[in-house]
Amino acid sequence: AQTVTQSQPEMSVQEAETVTLSCTYDTSESDYYLFWYKQPPSRQMILVIRQEAYKQQNATENRFSVNFQKAAKSFSLKISDSQLGDAAMYFCACTGTASKLTFGTGTRLQVTL
Amino acid sequence: KAGVTQTPRYLIKTRGQQVTLSCSPISGHRSVSWYQQTPGQGLQFLFEYFSETQRNKGNFPGRFSGRQFSNSRSEMNVSTLELGDSALYLCASSLEFFNTEAFFGQGTRLTVV
Repeated sequence: AQTVTQSQPEMSVQEAETVTLSCTYDTSESDYYLFWYKQPPSRQMILVIRQEAYKQQNATENRFSVNFQKAAKSFSLKISDSQLGDAAMYFCACTGTASKLTFGTGTRLQVTL
Repeated sequence: KAGVTQTPRYLIKTRGQQVTLSCSPISGHRSVSWYQQTPGQGLQFLFEYFSETQRNKGNFPGRFSGRQFSNSRSEMNVSTLELGDSALYLCASSLEFFNTEAFFGQGTRLTVV
C-alpha cells in the first residue's frame, strides 16, 4: 500500500517569485515513480514532472524542479519565476508496479501580482 | 496526436438509475485507468484495464464496473446511483501496464439528484 501526504492545503506566491510545495510518501515497493500533477480550473490533470525512484538526480522541467529525498521519503516541487498561469491545484502522486496512482490531498497555489 | 477523450462531459442522473461513461485513450495506449474525484475523498482509484483485462481494482462497491474493448476504449458503469456517487470521474491512459506516465482526460462531471 502507498500513502501520499501533502501538508499544505494552500500556498501563495507572488509573480516571478519561487515557491516550494511539499510532499511526503510511504511505499513498501522498491521500484516506484513519483509525480506532480497540476489541475487548473478546467479540471484536466496535467503532468508537471516525473521522478523515477531509482534515479538519484532530481528531475527538472523548465521552471519546475523537484527535491527528491529518498531516505526521508520526501518529494517537493519547486516552481521558479512563478506565472499567473501556474495558479492551480497541485497533486503529488506515487505509483508502483501495480500501476495505480495514489494521490495526495492537493495544494491550492495562488499566484498574486 | 489526439488526447484522452471522455464523454459525456456533464451528466445529471436520478438516484437509482444507472450510468455509463466512456473513455477513448491516446492512440497506441493500451492501459486505461479510472479515478473518482470528490471534495471529501479526493482522488481515488477505481480500476485499471490493460488489453481488455481488469488488472487492478480499487475499494469501491460492486455497483462500479468497467470494461475495455479491443480498440482500448473503455467504459465504466455505475448502477443504482446514490447521491454520494456525484463526482468528477477521470480517465487516464498510458502506454503500458506499468504506469510510468499517465495522461488524463477532462473528466465527466456526474451529478446525482
